[in-house]
Amino acid sequence: QQQVKQSPQSLIVQKGGISIINCAYENTAFDYFPWYQQFPGKGPALLIAIRPDVSEKKEGRFTISFNKSAKQFSLHIMDSQPGDSATYFCAASYLGGYQKVTFGTGTKLQVIP
Amino acid sequence: DGGITQSPKYLFRKEGQNVTLSCEQNLNHDAMYWYRQDPGQGLRLIYYSQIVNDFQKGDIAEGYSVSREKKESFPLTVTSAQKNPTAFYLCASSIGVGLANFTGELFFGEGSRLTVL
Repeated sequence: QQQVKQSPQSLIVQKGGISIINCAYENTAFDYFPWYQQFPGKGPALLIAIRPDVSEKKEGRFTISFNKSAKQFSLHIMDSQPGDSATYFCAASYLGGYQKVTFGTGTKLQVIP
Repeated sequence: DGGITQSPKYLFRKEGQNVTLSCEQNLNHDAMYWYRQDPGQGLRLIYYSQIVNDFQKGDIAEGYSVSREKKESFPLTVTSAQKNPTAFYLCASSIGVGLANFTGELFFGEGSRLTVL
């Protein structure tokens, strides 16, 4: 029940296109859904996060869509750029008690010119 | 600059040896974590600590040990009992759970890559 399933494992998108990464969770106690971005040889860094009381959150070219009833959330990267090439992890946690973060398996995004 | 410093960046170990990975933070965070990253498996929690002198096992603690004697430091020892220690190890910290400014965000170091020869 603690799993977060992420797809696809890898993604190639043309510059200017839309990158879409999907995640699904099982534990309905989760109430915080962040996305982390990781460049090769570096640690992940928080990109954007959403709480379940909203269905969408947008920051620049990055948008999280959240479907509470389906227990799914997704990251959309609009106008994808080569600099967006990185590995993206979705995650979920429960902020009420100890905040144990459960991560998805990651999506390696490559944006080609 | 505030942040998390992990050392060494690369480490080679012979089978049967214990190694210790260093993690230091100057963010004044209460909570610290160790994750292991393997290709295709995401980040898996090894140990976490919410306060000095206290730490808890994560999902894959077998073969690892930690200490938290200072707020700033959370070293991880990979013991010879860890059957498959070759991996990328990430240390992270966060504002303590329950504090008014707690956001849930984890701040990661740049990682240590351990290779067993």
